[in-house]
Amino acid sequence: GIQVEQSPPDLILQEGANSTLRCNFSDSVNNLQWFHQNPWGQLINLFYIPSGTKQNGRLSATTVATERYSLLYISSSQTTDSGVYFCAVQTGANNLFFGTGTRLTVIP
Amino acid sequence: DTGVSQNPRHKITKRGQNVTFRCDPISEHNRLYWYRQTLGQGPEFLTYFQNEAQLEKSRLLSDRFSAERPKGSFSTLEIQRTEQGDSAMYLCASSLVRGLGDEQFFGPGTRLTVL
Repeated sequence: GIQVEQSPPDLILQEGANSTLRCNFSDSVNNLQWFHQNPWGQLINLFYIPSGTKQNGRLSATTVATERYSLLYISSSQTTDSGVYFCAVQTGANNLFFGTGTRLTVIP
Repeated sequence: DTGVSQNPRHKITKRGQNVTFRCDPISEHNRLYWYRQTLGQGPEFLTYFQNEAQLEKSRLLSDRFSAERPKGSFSTLEIQRTEQGDSAMYLCASSLVRGLGDEQFFGPGTRLTVL
């Protein structure tokens, strides 16, 4: 199956700092989603972004489908941004394949 | 719309017992997925339904697992003769498929602990 790699695996930031999370995937995809998993395990949709760039407040994402990667930018980080960020891709119209995540810790 | 809901949120059972989880998708979503997530890993696909038809099952879904979506609305996932290795978070997601690729929305999950 398709391989999804996320980097870095762990990230510690001071509140107010900016960060970039990366997702590489090994094959063409029809869908790419970014999620934030909160401490209670809920997966929260951040972006549905098979290609192009989107912005939502302090977060933005870019997917370059031809080069098989996506980036998630977090600006002016807050402690509530802490948690695990997952990239997930879909080939065809079926299940998502998840990466192993980036664990973000924002320190006050 | 209140999003995807799952019940129960937590389940503790003894090895060998049967358990059943329920998922209520976002109304009018025609696709429903089940995933399993173990500690430190991303969710892994188990099975999915398009309306009431079960279209795909992962190799992770052993014979002890069965899923149904009887009227194309809610779904149940049953695990028979539970084993300690079944301890995990079971996640349900739903989507509205209109073409290639669908945005999936996840429920809060059911955390299963098998003693």
